[in-house]
Amino acid sequence: QVQLVQSGAEVKKPGASVKVSCKTSGYTFASHHIHWVRQAPGQGLEWMGWINTGNGIPNYSQKFQGRLTITRDSSATSAYMELSGLTSGDTAVYYCARGGAMNAPPFEYWGQGTLVTVSS
Amino acid sequence: EIVLTQSPGTLSLSPGESATLSCRASQSLTGTYLAWFQQKPSQAPRLLMYGVSSRATGIPDRFSGSGSGTDFTLTITRLEPEDFAVYYCQQYGSSPGFGQGTKVEIK
Repeated sequence: QVQLVQSGAEVKKPGASVKVSCKTSGYTFASHHIHWVRQAPGQGLEWMGWINTGNGIPNYSQKFQGRLTITRDSSATSAYMELSGLTSGDTAVYYCARGGAMNAPPFEYWGQGTLVTVSS
Repeated sequence: EIVLTQSPGTLSLSPGESATLSCRASQSLTGTYLAWFQQKPSQAPRLLMYGVSSRATGIPDRFSGSGSGTDFTLTITRLEPEDFAVYYCQQYGSSPGFGQGTKVEIK
């Protein structure tokens, strides 16, 4: 069965960086992009970016350009989201989600979420 | 950037009633790249509908989606207790985005 398992909660100081991993299994890794979505406490969903897991090329929301790096390791069937220059406004649950493909809708499978807390 | 605006913000209904949720896009969506998600507290979003009107695996037929261009609707008939949650629409073109959500609460 398809699974996306994320790394554990993180507490970071302002100005630091955080890297969250998303380990996938149960399907062909290169066949589906991986998206990253975040949700601040009590707020809505915010799309951050995605990575083409086949060629490793990312696509970022304008809001996070210059601060967000999404990578993948095909041998580990994992994707990674690194956000730098953290502020309290980056405190959120970060989710990875599987993109679509022929006969497979996008965002059907999600990781369990990783809480990132930014606090001095 | 396409902005999605959902209405109403909150819908107060009783079990057994029907819910109609609206999602309006700031520009016409090319293709049918419109999805709906359900989210309950402390859970990841759950895909309900994609391609405007296709139900995701395991989603009961009391959920239906419709619309085109800039106006889209999620309809839930015969609300069950487990349907009370927050619902988000999403356009999943090259730069996906979500609406701000509609909370369906028990009246």
